[in-house]
Amino acid sequence: GEDVEQSLFLSVREGDSSVINCTYTDSSSTYLYWYKQEPGAGLQLLTYIFSNMDMKQDQRLTVLLNKKDKHLSLRIADTQTGDSAIYFCAEMDAGNMLTFGGGTRLMVKP
Amino acid sequence: AAGVIQSPRHLIKEKRETATLKCYPIPRHDTVYWYQQGPGQDPQFLISFYEKMQSDKGSIPDRFSAQQFSDYHSELNMSSLELGDSALYFCASSPRGQGDYEQYFGPGTRLTVT
Repeated sequence: GEDVEQSLFLSVREGDSSVINCTYTDSSSTYLYWYKQEPGAGLQLLTYIFSNMDMKQDQRLTVLLNKKDKHLSLRIADTQTGDSAIYFCAEMDAGNMLTFGGGTRLMVKP
Repeated sequence: AAGVIQSPRHLIKEKRETATLKCYPIPRHDTVYWYQQGPGQDPQFLISFYEKMQSDKGSIPDRFSAQQFSDYHSELNMSSLELGDSALYFCASSPRGQGDYEQYFGPGTRLTVT
């Protein structure tokens, strides 16, 4: 079955770049997503990338996809305290179901 | 912009009771997904509907059922509730019929079973 893994925790200083990594096992993934979840809140879609792309940039966010290694990363430039949250990567299989990783808690120190 | 609406936002039920959660997708979105997120867990896919037909089924217990109505809203019916059903239940919608696979999540319904 599908498996999506992320490191549990990342701490950075305000103004630095954050890089959150994710690995997945399903080679039939069509799209890969990054969601942000603040405490007690819903899941906010940040960005997604089609599986035949290797990079997507959207303002402060850069997504890199290494399909050969099944590795996805999210880089947040100039990280702010408001970026503190849990970040989930998710992959969509051919059946359009999302499988989420366990989430990475990003803590931004002032 | 309109977002996914879920109601109620909070629900407290006792064991063995039933609960109905409602989801109103973003206008013109034809696909609805339900996810369950336990405390400290990642969201788990339950079930989805496309054009009012069940599309995919995940780890949804037999005690749960769901449907999508003609106006595309969806309801998740949960019976014989157990303590372990306490979780955040998210609904997401997407305009899949238009070839768009972004899933937009609602704010969630927090169900507490006592």
